[in-house]
Amino acid sequence: GNSVTQMEGPVTLSEEAFLTINCTYTATGYPSLFWYVQYPGEGLQLLLKATKADDKGSNKGFEATYRKETTSFHLEKGSVQVSDSAVYFCALRGTGGSYIPTFGRGTSLIVHP
Amino acid sequence: DAGITQSPRHKVTETGTPVTLRCHQTENHRYMYWYRQDPGHGLRLIHYSYGVKDTDKGEVSDGYSVSRSKTEDFLLTLESATSSQTSVYFCAINSRDTLNTEAFFGQGTRLTVV
Repeated sequence: GNSVTQMEGPVTLSEEAFLTINCTYTATGYPSLFWYVQYPGEGLQLLLKATKADDKGSNKGFEATYRKETTSFHLEKGSVQVSDSAVYFCALRGTGGSYIPTFGRGTSLIVHP
Repeated sequence: DAGITQSPRHKVTETGTPVTLRCHQTENHRYMYWYRQDPGHGLRLIHYSYGVKDTDKGEVSDGYSVSRSKTEDFLLTLESATSSQTSVYFCAINSRDTLNTEAFFGQGTRLTVV
């Protein structure tokens, strides 16, 4: 079946530091890949997505590239802000299991001033 | 924002009582999902629906049942609540049968079973 593995947190950074959150996946065929963000007390919301190999998704300074050869979709940001503190979820939607979204366990990011 | 509403937002209930959580959408999306979120486990799928009266189990369905009598409403019932079902519950919706559409989430229901 489909699965997503992402690095465990929490990830603690100082403001303006570089961020990488690793994500790898297992799926048959060609899934679509997503990063969601969850702020305290809220539901998940889409941060970015990529729907085919070598696509780059980007939003709010965050980027992730769909690498089929390494089955990865790592999230990066060049300079984090305190307001980026949240939980980040990597996810995929594939052809197996009625297109059910499959999520990683989430990575908490804490950014200090 | 996608029109998806969960109710109630918070609930405290006693062990052994039945509890029903409601998810209501105004997007006419086909797919609806119930997840629970617990520390260290991320999001785990409880049940999902792919149409009116069409539902199926997820990975943690024991102790839960669902119903979908209308496109817009997806109900999650804890038949006899236990302390292990204390969690934050999220409803999500997805449109169509294409892979590139993202899920939209409700704000969550925080359930405490005492």
